[in-house]
Amino acid sequence: GDSVTQMQGQVTLSEDDFLFINCTYSTTWYPTLFWYVQYPGEGPQLLLKVTTANNKGISRGFEATYDKRTTSFHLQKASVQESDSAVYYCVLGERTNTGKLTFGDGTVLTVKP
Amino acid sequence: EAAVTQSPRNKVTVTGGNVTLSCRQTNSHNYMYWYRQDTGHGLRLIHYSYGAGNLQIGDVPDGYKATRTTQEDFFLLLELASPSQTSLYFCASSDGTGNSDYTFGSGTRLLVI
Repeated sequence: GDSVTQMQGQVTLSEDDFLFINCTYSTTWYPTLFWYVQYPGEGPQLLLKVTTANNKGISRGFEATYDKRTTSFHLQKASVQESDSAVYYCVLGERTNTGKLTFGDGTVLTVKP
Repeated sequence: EAAVTQSPRNKVTVTGGNVTLSCRQTNSHNYMYWYRQDTGHGLRLIHYSYGAGNLQIGDVPDGYKATRTTQEDFFLLLELASPSQTSLYFCASSDGTGNSDYTFGSGTRLLVI
């Protein structure tokens, strides 16, 4: 079945550091790929999505490129802020009429001032 | 503003107890979903529905029932709650096209003692 792998359970950075969160996926379909972010006490919310292979999604300074060859969708940000501290989920979306999403296990990002 | 509202926010029940979690969406979305969130597992799909009266089985359905009474309302039922069902539960809605993102509620934290 579909799966998403995030190897980094926790990432700790200082403000203005470069962020890189690794994500790889496995599916027999041509999925839509998402990054969701979850702040404490809230549900996940969409950060960015990419529907087409080899395209890049950009939002709020974050970016991710849908790489079909390496089946990866890594998240990057050039300079993190303390307010970016949250849990980040790499998510695979089925292109069927169910709209089902498959979540990675999440990466807890802590940014120290 | 379109939203997904869950109730209660917190719930404590005893083993063997009967629990109903409620979810209402005002997004005019056809699809609604119930997920559970546990440390180290990300979000896992329990049940989902594409309209009133419809129910589809998710990836971790054992021990859960669900019912979609209207387009707006989706309920998750635990008829014999067990400690293994202690978790954070999220409801979400989408238009189900596969490219669309989800709108999540704020979650219900359930403790089964």
